[in-house]
Amino acid sequence: AQSVSQHNHHVILSEAASLELGCNYSYGGTVNLFWYVQYPGQHLQLLLKYFSGDPLVKGIKGFEAEFIKSKFSFNLRKPSVQWSDTAEYFCAVNPNAGNNRKLIWGLGTSLAVNP
Amino acid sequence: DTGVSQDPRHKITKRGQNVTFRCDPISEHNRLYWYRQTLGQGPEFLTYFQNEAQLEKSRLLSDRFSAERPKGSFSTLEIQRTEQGDSAMYLCASSLVPGVETQYFGPGTRLLVL
Repeated sequence: AQSVSQHNHHVILSEAASLELGCNYSYGGTVNLFWYVQYPGQHLQLLLKYFSGDPLVKGIKGFEAEFIKSKFSFNLRKPSVQWSDTAEYFCAVNPNAGNNRKLIWGLGTSLAVNP
Repeated sequence: DTGVSQDPRHKITKRGQNVTFRCDPISEHNRLYWYRQTLGQGPEFLTYFQNEAQLEKSRLLSDRFSAERPKGSFSTLEIQRTEQGDSAMYLCASSLVPGVETQYFGPGTRLLVL
């Protein structure tokens, strides 16, 4: 079955630390990849997305993600986190690129950044 | 605000009652999705529409659940004879096809069944 795995369920960092959240998917075809963020009490917001082209994509608030096709991965990174990055982060995959129907979601990673 | 809106934001009901939620997508978006999210989990797909046609329903969607999008704009999700296990956040998202497209989410409706 198609699935999305986020390796870290809970991450605690201090401000200015570097962040990397793992995301792997199990689909061999063409995919569209997304990272969404959910700040406390707010709705899901798109952080960044990959459809094609440069596998290193940059999103809002200094986040970036790298698509590595050979590893079926789309890890999220930020060189220096801030307290305001405390949120839930979700990786999502559309395994039917060009025919977006439903997204397959990871379970999410809860990030807490200590000031 | 031209984003996805949902109403109500919170609903508390007693077991056995019927509830209905509404979603208004971004105005030019032709696809509309319903998801359910429980604590500590990612969203789970329930169903989606392209214009007024309901194109797919998840196996998670029991007979007690029904969704409509009669005019291809807003959508309603009704749950009949609610059960405590229905307690969750119900999310709506919309997108525009064809082309490279992204789903944009509303704030959700939090349902608590007592």
